[in-house]
Amino acid sequence: DSGVTQTPKHLITATGQRVTLRCSPRSGDLSVYWYQQSLDQGLQFLIQYYNGEERAKGNILERFSAQQFPDLHSELNLSSLELGDSALYFCASSATGSRTTNYGYTFGSGTRLTVV
Amino acid sequence: AQSVTQPDIHITVSEGASLELRCNYSYGATPYLFWYVQSPGQGLQLLLKYFSGDTLVQGIKGFEAEFKRSQSSFNLRKPSVHWSDAAEYFCAVGPRGNTPLVFGKGTRLSVIA
Repeated sequence: DSGVTQTPKHLITATGQRVTLRCSPRSGDLSVYWYQQSLDQGLQFLIQYYNGEERAKGNILERFSAQQFPDLHSELNLSSLELGDSALYFCASSATGSRTTNYGYTFGSGTRLTVV
Repeated sequence: AQSVTQPDIHITVSEGASLELRCNYSYGATPYLFWYVQSPGQGLQLLLKYFSGDTLVQGIKGFEAEFKRSQSSFNLRKPSVHWSDAAEYFCAVGPRGNTPLVFGKGTRLSVIA
């Protein structure tokens, strides 16, 4: 157990639907990152939150949104789903630290989304 | 922009043989470098990281990596591979601070008897 909890583990939904993926970071970590992993694109950074605020944005579609709540858990909302959105979605958290180092991430086990 | 290249998509080695997985990065300053391993159906686990200092870093599970600034490389090595090392390996680069890492596309390692 890495300490980062993602739910659900598997999700099957139809095109056009909306889903919410949930992530609880490791205790004490303020940063949450969302990544999408697909066979052809590899690991693509979507968005980062730090202590409730959006910190960085990557290749996140407008149909996707995220937020981080006061208890630091985060949700990734995917709407108007398309077949191409089928992928593994990972959440990661990182240790609180200064701006002078980079501790790397602790990953959750991911949510496998299948759009049919 | 930062980028990471893992030239080998798939490598097969015999159990007990040595292993080297290649990673080349592009980054404007001294990078923070990481190797992660992903077993089937699992999340990514940190193997080792390089921040500064000694260019040879030791990680978990008997892995080590060497940072070579002149070659912009951070190759992962293991002297003797075990069947349980079969997995996908990802190299990543990032700047200082709690900022997003950029990952390579991964190298899949198969181990044969």
